[in-house]
Amino acid sequence: DQQVKQNSPSLSVQEGRISILNCDYTNSMFDYFLWYKKYPAEGPTFLISISSIKDKNEDGRFTVFLNKSAKHLSLHIVPSQPGDSAVYFCAASVSRSGNTPLVFGKGTRLSVIA
Amino acid sequence: KAGVTQTPRYLIKTRGQQVTLSCSPISGHRSVSWYQQTPGQGLQFLFEYFSETQRNKGNFPGRFSGRQFSNSRSEMNVSTLELGDSALYLCASSPGLAGGFYEQYFGPGTRLTVT
Repeated sequence: DQQVKQNSPSLSVQEGRISILNCDYTNSMFDYFLWYKKYPAEGPTFLISISSIKDKNEDGRFTVFLNKSAKHLSLHIVPSQPGDSAVYFCAASVSRSGNTPLVFGKGTRLSVIA
Repeated sequence: KAGVTQTPRYLIKTRGQQVTLSCSPISGHRSVSWYQQTPGQGLQFLFEYFSETQRNKGNFPGRFSGRQFSNSRSEMNVSTLELGDSALYLCASSPGLAGGFYEQYFGPGTRLTVT
């Protein structure tokens, strides 16, 4: 049973436009969510996170939105740049229990077209 | 600060053999987690070590094992390799202290191919 789902395996966006990557989760105990970006032949790189006490967190061009009632989060990238082309993973954790493992989605491959 | 390092970066083994992968965490980090990434499967958690003790374990068979040394360096071992073990094995480190959450920082991974 997949607790974190990224239903879009791939997404193509024009340079300068907004990229929206979506993630759904089923475990209501999750209270900390993260996005990682991964380039080929490299490990995932932490991008941005959000605690369940917030519904939005912004860092430069990246904004994560959390809708707890819908168990849904999204990552917005504005404006999208060719260097943003990578696989994006959504991850979740139950931080209240201490250092529990991250549960990852299967990833969405973003292609930003110049 | 140096990042997470993993050795070797690439490995080819034959079915039935065993393999040991190594991970050096970021200096000062005491938690090391291991993940397996296969095509289309995302990252699946193997286990986590903190202060030389296995603190969390994923749903993998006993052929997968690990350990952590006093300097926080960690190794994982896979015995009796199967073709399905071909994957990218990723190591991640974090401060690991209880009572809070810390982002994990990943190494570049070891690409294991089983033939």
